[in-house]
Amino acid sequence: DQQVKQNSPSLSVQEGRISILNCDYTNSMFDYFLWYKKYPAEGPTFLISISSIKDKNEDGRFTVFLNKSAKHLSLHIVPSQPGDSAVYFCAASDYGGSQGNLIFGKGTKLSVKP
Amino acid sequence: GAVVSQHPSRVICKSGTSVKIECRSLDFQATTMFWYRQFPKQSLMLMATSNEGSKATYEQGVEKDKFLINHASLTLSTLTVTSAHPEDSSFYICSARDPLGASEKLFFGSGTQLSVL
Repeated sequence: DQQVKQNSPSLSVQEGRISILNCDYTNSMFDYFLWYKKYPAEGPTFLISISSIKDKNEDGRFTVFLNKSAKHLSLHIVPSQPGDSAVYFCAASDYGGSQGNLIFGKGTKLSVKP
Repeated sequence: GAVVSQHPSRVICKSGTSVKIECRSLDFQATTMFWYRQFPKQSLMLMATSNEGSKATYEQGVEKDKFLINHASLTLSTLTVTSAHPEDSSFYICSARDPLGASEKLFFGSGTQLSVL
């Protein structure tokens, strides 16, 4: 049973528009959420995170929204750029428990078209 | 930022042979490293947690005698796939968390694509 779900395997967006990547989770014990970006043949790199005590975190073009009641988070990229084309992984942690064991979603492949 | 180096990036081996994958933290000391496996179109799945100077902790369903983990120093963890079989073909990736970091974010190696013939 997947605890972190990214139901859209792919997303295509025009350059300059907004990209919205969604993630749902089932474990109410998760208290820290992260987004990682992965280019082909490279390891994931950290993008942005949010603690469960917040509902929004913004870093430049990237904003993560957390809706705890719906167990849903989303990553907004605006404006989208061709260099944003990559696979985006949502990850969750129950930090208070296991010293950083992250549970990953399957990823969403974002394609930003010029 | 912190860097994790993983080697080799790709390996092809015959069934029955063993393959060793190295994971190094280059600019920080990692008392704990994590090993993941990813099958095509699947999520990264944690295999084991590697602890410096002690035994690794394996996730349920992961055979510790098949996937040998050694974390002999604060900057190096190795994963050895013993007697590899075609079903072990996968993308293996390691990660580490900077203990001085304030968040849960992990730094990942670039991964190793293992193909067992």
